[in-house]
Amino acid sequence: KAGVTQTPRYLIKTRGQQVTLSCSPISGHRSVSWYQQTPGQGLQFLFEYFSETQRNKGNFPGRFSGRQFSNSRSEMNVSTLELGDSALYLCASSLGPMTTNEKLFFGSGTQLSVL
Amino acid sequence: GQSLEQPSEVTAVEGAIVQINCTYQTSGFYGLSWYQQHDGGAPTFLSYNALDGLEETGRFSSFLSRSDSYGYLLLQELQMKDSASYFCAVNQGGKLIFGQGTELSVKP
Repeated sequence: KAGVTQTPRYLIKTRGQQVTLSCSPISGHRSVSWYQQTPGQGLQFLFEYFSETQRNKGNFPGRFSGRQFSNSRSEMNVSTLELGDSALYLCASSLGPMTTNEKLFFGSGTQLSVL
Repeated sequence: GQSLEQPSEVTAVEGAIVQINCTYQTSGFYGLSWYQQHDGGAPTFLSYNALDGLEETGRFSSFLSRSDSYGYLLLQELQMKDSASYFCAVNQGGKLIFGQGTELSVKP
């Protein structure tokens, strides 16, 4: 079974641009959650999607948004990029919603650099 | 708010046993999880405690005491490949809250 796939692996953008990151969950998994990882703030929860609906959202500005498609693939969008958005963005999948699942499967992430 | 505290770094020798502690301040959560992350890699699930007590999975064990707001990950028979960052996390209402991570260095 293929693992969680995130594309692209690396991305370089400039301030003010927008970016879209993609996450394909493990086949059969219906929940996708997103995280931002930085050396200073660690791993922070962004949001979770289950059956195309956002179930939970972390403490991030509205510039961070996401969606999930009927095949459970998810995209995350960041608009008006700021230097502080430079981070490793990880997605994780699980069979059911996060309220019922303790085991998440993570992708290798997208390393975003904002110049 | 919620916060989980872990030591930032731990060093141990090959073959030894090491314990990584996680103390938390949170009003309620489903359980305590542990994840391992090698440099530049994906975090991988290690263990989960829904109830108080010890959970054992091979060389790794995890413990939770809700009354003490405390948990730990125990790694036995350390190997060089165990050098990585280890994160505790609580699932609070469907949001996963992580500790800052403990960087474990295993020396020969």
